[in-house]
Amino acid sequence: GQQVMQIPQYQHVQEGEDFTTYCNSSTTLSNIQWYKQRPGGHPVFLIQLVKSGEVKKQKRLTFQFGEAKKNSSLHITATQTTDVGTYFCAGPGTNAGKSTFGDGTTLTVKP
Amino acid sequence: DTEVTQTPKHLVMGMTNKKSLKCEQHMGHRAMYWYKQKAKKPPELMFVYSYEKLSINESVPSRFSPECPNSSLLNLHLHALQPEDSALYLCASSRDYSNEQFFGPGTRLTVL
Repeated sequence: GQQVMQIPQYQHVQEGEDFTTYCNSSTTLSNIQWYKQRPGGHPVFLIQLVKSGEVKKQKRLTFQFGEAKKNSSLHITATQTTDVGTYFCAGPGTNAGKSTFGDGTTLTVKP
Repeated sequence: DTEVTQTPKHLVMGMTNKKSLKCEQHMGHRAMYWYKQKAKKPPELMFVYSYEKLSINESVPSRFSPECPNSSLLNLHLHALQPEDSALYLCASSRDYSNEQFFGPGTRLTVL
């Protein structure tokens, strides 16, 4: 089945440093979504990318969708302690309605 | 109202018990989902309902039985669970398949 690989699994940064997580698929994705899950919380939708080469920004967060629509990245500039959590990418599965989540990248930020 | 609510927040049950998890949304979403999430793992899809009909069952054991009484409600009936079924059970909804999913806070289930 379709798989979405995400790296790294963990990232520890000092507050103020940048952070990037990468998502890769072996097949072309029609779209990719990003979610954030705080410790003890539930996934919260961040953004959806649809177009090849698309770049979207949300304050300090920059999301990119690769030209081939097989990879995506989330970059956080100048991390803050409020950024801690696990970031998941999710691609559409082989069946309509089925999303395939990456394994997630857990970010910890040292103040 | 942009919330998905789930009850109960926590549930402890024995292997012979029967219990139900409930999920509700009032956003007019036509797709609703049940996920299971183990610690430090991504959400794992269990069931998808579209327009109140079961459209995806990810080979979930029959001890889990979903039900969609109407377009706003989703239940997950539990019977004869095993300790390895202990996890966070998340409900989600979306306008349709291709849109973002709104997750509820989850029910943290412990099976003794």
